[in-house]
Amino acid sequence: EVQLVESGGGLVKPGGSLRLSCVASGFTFSTYSMNWVRQAPGKGLEWVSSISSSNYMYYADSLTGRFTISRDNAKNSLFLQMNSLRAEDTAVYYCARDLYGEYEFDYWGQGTLVTVSS
Amino acid sequence: SSELTQDPAVSVALGQTVRITCQGDSLRNYFASWYQQKPGQAPVLVIYGKNNRPSGIPDRFSGSSSGNTASLTITGAQAEDEADYYCNSRDSSGNHRVFGGGTKLTVL
Repeated sequence: EVQLVESGGGLVKPGGSLRLSCVASGFTFSTYSMNWVRQAPGKGLEWVSSISSSNYMYYADSLTGRFTISRDNAKNSLFLQMNSLRAEDTAVYYCARDLYGEYEFDYWGQGTLVTVSS
Repeated sequence: SSELTQDPAVSVALGQTVRITCQGDSLRNYFASWYQQKPGQAPVLVIYGKNNRPSGIPDRFSGSSSGNTASLTITGAQAEDEADYYCNSRDSSGNHRVFGGGTKLTVL
């Protein structure tokens, strides 16, 4: 069974940093592209970043270089380093797997809440 | 343009058919995928590609596309289909993803 479990969310002050993790199980992690998608309270889904199995990384233009996606295939883990956090980054952050060889999110974690507030 | 536009809300009578649409220039080149999200839950993929359903998704869900518009059709809507629905596709670069604003479906 495919499972994605996020962690690392919490309360952080504006300008602070946070590192999210997603541990995957039930599939060969190294062969799949992975993603972060976020959802602000009461708002819609927003794609944040993707990393391919070959470590090509892509980011939403709105992030202005503040976030960095990475992966550790030996630990079946996906990460999102978030710096210079702003109030508008407050959201539930989901880890999502791409359908193999495609661009659809076929499995999602339950999300981790990041709150940016003083 | 990398935007995808959805109607904010749609309603359907129980057992009837409803179509939820998604418009955007990128849909001329890429298929849309569709996600169902119920309150407090993670999204679930319901349609991808030309018209493919993941395992476990009822066959009352179907997808289609024409020009710059993708559609999700629910034939014989059930009470459990009441949810937010989001379309997603790639932008013109092919590497970035974009979501529509979401459609809240109410089953009357």
